[in-house]
Amino acid sequence: EAQVTQNPRYLITVTGKKLTVTCSQNMNHEYMSWYRQDPGLGLRQIYYSMNVEVTDKGDVPEGYKVSRKEKRNFPLILESPSPNQTSLYFCASSPNEKDTQYFGPGTRLTVL
Amino acid sequence: AQTVTQSQPEMSVQEAETVTLSCTYDTSESDYYLFWYKQPPSRQMILVIRQEAYKQQNATENRFSVNFQKAAKSFSLKISDSQLGDAAMYFCAYRSARSGNEKLTFGTGTRLTIIP
Repeated sequence: EAQVTQNPRYLITVTGKKLTVTCSQNMNHEYMSWYRQDPGLGLRQIYYSMNVEVTDKGDVPEGYKVSRKEKRNFPLILESPSPNQTSLYFCASSPNEKDTQYFGPGTRLTVL
Repeated sequence: AQTVTQSQPEMSVQEAETVTLSCTYDTSESDYYLFWYKQPPSRQMILVIRQEAYKQQNATENRFSVNFQKAAKSFSLKISDSQLGDAAMYFCAYRSARSGNEKLTFGTGTRLTIIP
């Protein structure tokens, strides 16, 4: 089954404790993105990647890092999480810039 | 920068009736894509319908159709014969057709309630 997977689905952590949210897609897509969803703000892009080893900032990159060492994986790294990073995070992928983006199931992150 | 506006935070409709969700956008580009995504309580983002700006014909997917008015920069979603399973948050989104960042710019969403 073609899908985007994220792990973990739920995470509660404390300020400053490094964490990684994994994202993997099995559709051989070149493009992958991370978004965060906050009430009243919709979804906003954090980082994106157009291919292996090619990443760039989206609209809200502060406090996040990403890497794209393999085509299928695009992990989101929070080196020192803060409470304002409490949010619902989505990973998405698409074959190219003209195609629909497919979303993972979301990761609910709470930073205390 | 492109912006997407959904002016209806909440809407409700009787089951089996028709409802229209509004979306306007602002862009200086002529070639782009517009989307409606549905987010049910499970939080999964599900594509409902996709429209290519250079196509004049309005997209349709079963009970879902759009009214795309390019000059007015309007992209409304019509749901016919509303069903209980249509209850969800609906997001309108814009994506440039330029090569490069495939970012989706989202509106703030409309929560749709279906009244039995």
